[in-house]
Amino acid sequence: DAGVIQSPRHEVTEMGQEVTLRCKPISGHNSLFWYRQTMMRGLELLIYFNNNVPIDDSGMPEDRFSAKMPNASFSTLKIQPSEPRDSAVYFCASSLAGDNEQFFGPGTRLTVL
Amino acid sequence: RKEVEQDPGPFNVPEGATVAFNCTYSNSASQSFFWYRQDCRKEPKLLMSVYSSGNEDGRFTAQLNRASQYISLLIRDSKLSDSATYLCVAQMYSTLTFGKGTMLLVSP
Repeated sequence: DAGVIQSPRHEVTEMGQEVTLRCKPISGHNSLFWYRQTMMRGLELLIYFNNNVPIDDSGMPEDRFSAKMPNASFSTLKIQPSEPRDSAVYFCASSLAGDNEQFFGPGTRLTVL
Repeated sequence: RKEVEQDPGPFNVPEGATVAFNCTYSNSASQSFFWYRQDCRKEPKLLMSVYSSGNEDGRFTAQLNRASQYISLLIRDSKLSDSATYLCVAQMYSTLTFGKGTMLLVSP
């Protein structure tokens, strides 16, 4: 069974460009989480969805960040415009229910020049 | 102040050694606790849950002290393959709060 799938795995872009990260959760899971990991701040929750509905977006850093989950099998995290300080590894995770074990995808390593 | 705090390490130990990691959490309302393992340039994976009664899984033992808001992980008979970063995690409802991790390096 496939785990959480993320794309792209690596993204290098220039400041000011729009970046879209994609995630496919494990089939049957109804909770989806977006995290960001940096050396300075560690792993931080950005937003999570339950049954495709955003429940808590308090971790989204600012209006340049937006996330959508149009259906149970797909979510996007968009940064527009991107800035060098957005450089990080972005993980998507899913769980069967909100308080069950979370399974992480391989991450997208984003570099903004 | 970070909600979950850990010594970043690295802890350098020889194969066969016993090593212990600790972490503290600030939110007394946290409901559940875990240790995750993260290999270099990989995603975090659940290692084990942590209970007040203690939880053992082979060479790994985890313990929670709610009164002190303190969590521990003990690894016995360290293997080279145990080299990784160990993340302490506190959960409240659906939200996981991660510590920055403790790096373990096991050498031959």
